[in-house]
Amino acid sequence: AQSVTQLDSQVPVFEEAPVELRCNYSSSVSVYLFWYVQYPNQGLQLLLKYLSGSTLVKGINGFEAEFNKSQTSFHLRKPSVHISDTAEYFCAVSDRDGATNKLIFGTGTLLAVQP
Amino acid sequence: GAVVSQHPSRVICKSGTSVKIECRSLDFQATTMFWYRQFPKKSLMLMATSNEGSKATYEQGVEKDKFLINHASLTLSTLTVTSAHPEDSSFYICSAHEGGGTEAFFGQGTRLTVV
Repeated sequence: AQSVTQLDSQVPVFEEAPVELRCNYSSSVSVYLFWYVQYPNQGLQLLLKYLSGSTLVKGINGFEAEFNKSQTSFHLRKPSVHISDTAEYFCAVSDRDGATNKLIFGTGTLLAVQP
Repeated sequence: GAVVSQHPSRVICKSGTSVKIECRSLDFQATTMFWYRQFPKKSLMLMATSNEGSKATYEQGVEKDKFLINHASLTLSTLTVTSAHPEDSSFYICSAHEGGGTEAFFGQGTRLTVV
């Protein structure tokens, strides 16, 4: 079975400061890793994904994440945040060899950017 | 990217009535769609996997008779909440993968309020 842990339920940060949102996963099989963003009362939008290859993945809106297999982590980072980045961020995994593309989500981290 | 449309975005219904939520893939065919439920300030919980032309696969603890899923065509899956109760009030989101790919495309979500 797979699980995803996002230890920080909320991360307050000032505008233009850097931010890191933490994600750790547990799985007995190889996984794909994703970060999604959700704005209030909306669906989810993909920020970035790790499938294979380079462990540093760049996504939309200036976000990037690094896959660390030994630490089973996939932390999300942005060097300088904007007010508009305020949203809920979800880390997710799916079974690389699974028959379906079922996603398992973490509990989410609210990024609150303050002026 | 691919577009998944969910309708309605909001619905209020009386206890005991049934509500149908539609999930459509607008520019691609999806043999599989997923239905999630999201509680306030909580993560997305996978409810079921909707399979075109066959029965849905429900996650453990999800009542099949309560949440009826029909995937009648390659572009449409519906979730019917039967005999709704206030505890069914939640945000319901669907997703689909284009061409069986790794990226999930999400609908905008449906806010269900049962009064």
